[in-house]
Amino acid sequence: DTGVSQDPRHKITKRGQNVTFRCDPISEHNRLYWYRQTLGQGPEFLTYFQNEAQLEKSRLLSDRFSAERPKGSFSTLEIQRTEQGDSAMYLCASSLDRARVEQYFGPGTRLTVT
Amino acid sequence: RKEVEQDPGPFNVPEGATVAFNCTYSNSASQSFFWYRQDCRKEPKLLMSVYSSGNEDGRFTAQLNRASQYISLLIRDSKLSDSATYLCVVNKNNNDMRFGAGTRLTVKP
Repeated sequence: DTGVSQDPRHKITKRGQNVTFRCDPISEHNRLYWYRQTLGQGPEFLTYFQNEAQLEKSRLLSDRFSAERPKGSFSTLEIQRTEQGDSAMYLCASSLDRARVEQYFGPGTRLTVT
Repeated sequence: RKEVEQDPGPFNVPEGATVAFNCTYSNSASQSFFWYRQDCRKEPKLLMSVYSSGNEDGRFTAQLNRASQYISLLIRDSKLSDSATYLCVVNKNNNDMRFGAGTRLTVKP
């Protein structure tokens, strides 16, 4: 399977713990995106990388959130001091580096903060 | 006002029906438009891009009206397998895709 992969698929953590998610994009895709989706809503943009450079961050991305893409391939999203409001599906997507191009999504990591 | 607005539904239609979804967007500078499909507890998957001239893919037809900032999706001869949530997506620039909350469709036998 050469699609976008994410790990883990599910994560249950206690409030206050740190969690880290990983995303492996489609291999030839330069762009990588993180989204958050809650029930009944569409995905909300969090941040975007072009190769290893993080070019855009949403105001939704509080200082407890950090994302990296150190070698321009896989990316990690870390949430520090998790809160119950962080419970959501975290989706990663990737795309080619071209204008007006569609994004391809991974299966997501479902986070539950208890 | 939300950047991308959709009727949340749900739309409950019988097999074989024709159903249409509408979407409006607020940013007139938006450059590209898509419809994605999302099944329950799954990731969004691209259904089709939406072009200014309108485009068709089998039973699916998408239309874009830039003047009215309006996008539509028409599904003809609906199948049980079309049951899903349909997400309208507007790309503000090369990086920033904005999703509507989705329209839920249930096709019943």
